[in-house]
Amino acid sequence: GAGVSQSPSNKVTEKGKDVELRCDPISGHTALYWYRQRLGQGLEFLIYFQGNSAPDKSGLPSDRFSAERTGESVSTLTIQRTQQEDSAVYLCASSPSGASYNEQFFGPGTRLTVL
Amino acid sequence: AQRVTQPEKLLSVFKGAPVELKCNYSYSGSPELFWYVQYSRQRLQLLLRHISRESIKGFTADLNKGETSFHLKKPFAQEEDSAMYYCALSKGRETSGSRLTFGEGTQLTVNP
Repeated sequence: GAGVSQSPSNKVTEKGKDVELRCDPISGHTALYWYRQRLGQGLEFLIYFQGNSAPDKSGLPSDRFSAERTGESVSTLTIQRTQQEDSAVYLCASSPSGASYNEQFFGPGTRLTVL
Repeated sequence: AQRVTQPEKLLSVFKGAPVELKCNYSYSGSPELFWYVQYSRQRLQLLLRHISRESIKGFTADLNKGETSFHLKKPFAQEEDSAMYYCALSKGRETSGSRLTFGEGTQLTVNP
């Protein structure tokens, strides 16, 4: 079956503009995670969804970042008033449940460049 | 707060040589440890997890709680093992919705 998909694959924007990143998880996966990977660094957690609710949003770096998930499927990550330090690869992952031992299945990522 | 350290950003070995990718962690509870791998032009994928105690593609990793380590080992490296390897930790069964904390990764190159 289809894996996790993300769109767009690349996004170039100007500083101060808003961007919206999309994630389509594997069908039936209730847990969904967003991570960010800056150049040369490891992945950093942003937010976790269980179903449509977000019990852990502690990784969002500022109030310019928000995310939502609808219908236990698609999730969107919105960054308002983008800054150059927001440039990174944004990765989405889904998992059958929120259990800690579950494998997380990753999407290909969205490469965001803020000029 | 939990933390994962991979001390080597780059590791280069020859084909057929043993390889060990180091991973140390800090966490006060009982963590779940994972190794994820990203081959060139592919997405990040799970290689193995300590709870499964399995060998995948000849790789093994043992959780050493005394040394807080989860080193990845393979006795005879192959060229197709060249990839970026990430060690990751989740908080374990006392919590749900467990996000992963990643190390910065080790780029392994296996030379012919």
